[in-house]
Amino acid sequence: GDSVTQMEGPVTLSEEAFLTINCTYTATGYPSLFWYVQYPGEGLQLLLKATKADDKGSNKGFEATYRKETTSFHLEKGSVQVSDSAVYFCALRSPSGNTPLVFGKGTRLSVIA
Amino acid sequence: GAGVSQSPSNKVTEKGKDVELRCDPISGHTALYWYRQSLGQGLEFLIYFQGNSAPDKSGLPSDRFSAERTGGSVSTLTIQRTQQEDSAVYLCASSLLGDGEQYFGPGTRLTVT
Repeated sequence: GDSVTQMEGPVTLSEEAFLTINCTYTATGYPSLFWYVQYPGEGLQLLLKATKADDKGSNKGFEATYRKETTSFHLEKGSVQVSDSAVYFCALRSPSGNTPLVFGKGTRLSVIA
Repeated sequence: GAGVSQSPSNKVTEKGKDVELRCDPISGHTALYWYRQSLGQGLEFLIYFQGNSAPDKSGLPSDRFSAERTGGSVSTLTIQRTQQEDSAVYLCASSLLGDGEQYFGPGTRLTVT
């Protein structure tokens, strides 16, 4: 079945450091790919998405590019802030419609001033 | 407008008791999903509703788990004879269409003692 693997956390960075959180997937066809974020005490929110190969999703300074050849969707940000501290989840959705999201296990990011 | 709401926010119950968790989706959203977030397990899909019917129950972990949705709106997840391994955060999400963006509620934290 479909699956998502993302790097284990926790990740601790200093403010203004470069962030990469790796995500790879296994799926048939061309799934849609997502990054969700869960800030402390809040619900899960969609951060960005990409629906086809070579698409780049971006939001709030975060970017991820859908790489079909490496089955990857790595999350990057050039300069993190303390407010980016959260748990980040990579997810996919099968292209066969009306299907649930398949999530990775999440990566906790802590940014220190 | 109002987002997805869930109640209760926290529930502590004794092993063997039954519990009911409630989800109020965003008004007009036809699709509703239940997920479970366990420590170390990430987010796992439980059940999906399109309107009042559940075309995909594949994620329910045992026959102690059931869910219903009435009036195409509110959904209730029932866990009978709770076990300690049922302790988790139960998340509900809704989307306008079956393949639309999913909006998540804040979750219900269930603790079985």
